[in-house]
Amino acid sequence: DGGITQSPKYLFRKEGQNVTLSCEQNLNHDAMYWYRQDPGQGLRLIYYSQIVNDFQKGDIAEGYSVSREKKESFPLTVTSAQKNPTAFYLCASSIAAGNTEAFFGQGTRLTVV
Amino acid sequence: AQSVAQPEDQVNVAEGNPLTVKCTYSVSGNPYLFWYVQYPNRGLQFLLKYITGDNLVKGSYGFEAEFNKSQTSFHLKKPSALVSDSALYFCAVREGPSNYQLIWGAGTKLIIKP
Repeated sequence: DGGITQSPKYLFRKEGQNVTLSCEQNLNHDAMYWYRQDPGQGLRLIYYSQIVNDFQKGDIAEGYSVSREKKESFPLTVTSAQKNPTAFYLCASSIAAGNTEAFFGQGTRLTVV
Repeated sequence: AQSVAQPEDQVNVAEGNPLTVKCTYSVSGNPYLFWYVQYPNRGLQFLLKYITGDNLVKGSYGFEAEFNKSQTSFHLKKPSALVSDSALYFCAVREGPSNYQLIWGAGTKLIIKP
């Protein structure tokens, strides 16, 4: 069953703690993305990766970090430097750039308590 | 600067009536345009895309969209709305074949009333 899997679905974090969100895909896609979604706003790009061992900052990368050691995995770490981390986080993948659509995971809702 | 506008935060339509969700864009090159739908607490699902060719593209669940280059618009349409179409709809644009980044609209909440 092909797809993109995010875990966990819900995550609670205490202020000052780092937390890592998992994203795995078995679609053999080269490109992977992390987005943040806040109420009433569109998706904002945090990081993206075009290929293994390479990634680029998106529009709101401050306070986040990623790695791309394997083609199928693109974990996102929300660090204590992120001032307002409570949000819905979406991971996506696509074959390549240009005319290909992105496929999304089901999202992780992170709440800082 | 590249941008996507969805001018309506919410659209209300009676079941069985036609629906339109509006999207306009601003990019400097040739646009690749996409529509996605999001149900509550879920990820986004791809509906349709315009790359080139016929300005009217058909997608999933009976949706279609019309690309209008002169008006820089890509409105989403459906001839007869269903209650199950109620969701959040996003328009997105990518500038050109080598660009990885998608620029997203803020989303339009579609409410279909029985």
